[in-house]
Amino acid sequence: KAGVTQTPRYLIKTRGQQVTLSCSPISGHRSVSWYQQTPGQGLQFLFEYFSETQRNKGNFPGRFSGRQFSNSRSEMNVSTLELGDSALYLCASMLRGGTEAFFGQGTRLTVV
Amino acid sequence: DAKTTQPTSMDCAEGRAANLPCNHSTISGNEYVYWYRQIHSQGPQYIIHGLKNNETNEMASLIITEDRKSSTLILPHATLRDTAVYYCIVDNTNAGKSTFGDGTTLTVKP
Repeated sequence: KAGVTQTPRYLIKTRGQQVTLSCSPISGHRSVSWYQQTPGQGLQFLFEYFSETQRNKGNFPGRFSGRQFSNSRSEMNVSTLELGDSALYLCASMLRGGTEAFFGQGTRLTVV
Repeated sequence: DAKTTQPTSMDCAEGRAANLPCNHSTISGNEYVYWYRQIHSQGPQYIIHGLKNNETNEMASLIITEDRKSSTLILPHATLRDTAVYYCIVDNTNAGKSTFGDGTTLTVKP
């Protein structure tokens, strides 16, 4: 079956703009998590959605937000982009709690 | 979440077993040990997880000490394609809300 799909793969934005990233989980998976990966901070948890509800949230400012749709697809939005938001953004889907996470290939965001 | 400690880097000869240690001395009774790896520029890949018993699958074996304060991931016959960053995570549900540490960079050499 198809894996986790993230779009777009690469993105270049200007400081102050906003961006929306998309994640389609594996069919049947209802939990979607988002991560930010930077060379200096490693892989950090942003938030998790389950059945359209945000279930957990990491320690990121309010400029980072997300949502999940009824088909389990998820989007994350970053407003008022800063240079430090340049990172690889990864999405992971899970069948249910206590199981392994399947990651997408990520979206490489560059803020200039 | 409990914190983990892993060596920054390790080398392994191709064809030999790679043993990657992880310390999680503050692990709680209901927390699992998960291992993932990330090959350069790709998303992390699940390897294995366990609670207190040793586990084995087609990719690796996981050995958890009796007091659960440490574990070892074993890749029985390392190949060049096993060169990656290996993350050890402890969590009471899944890795979906965990922050991955710096992991261990394993380099398999010919």
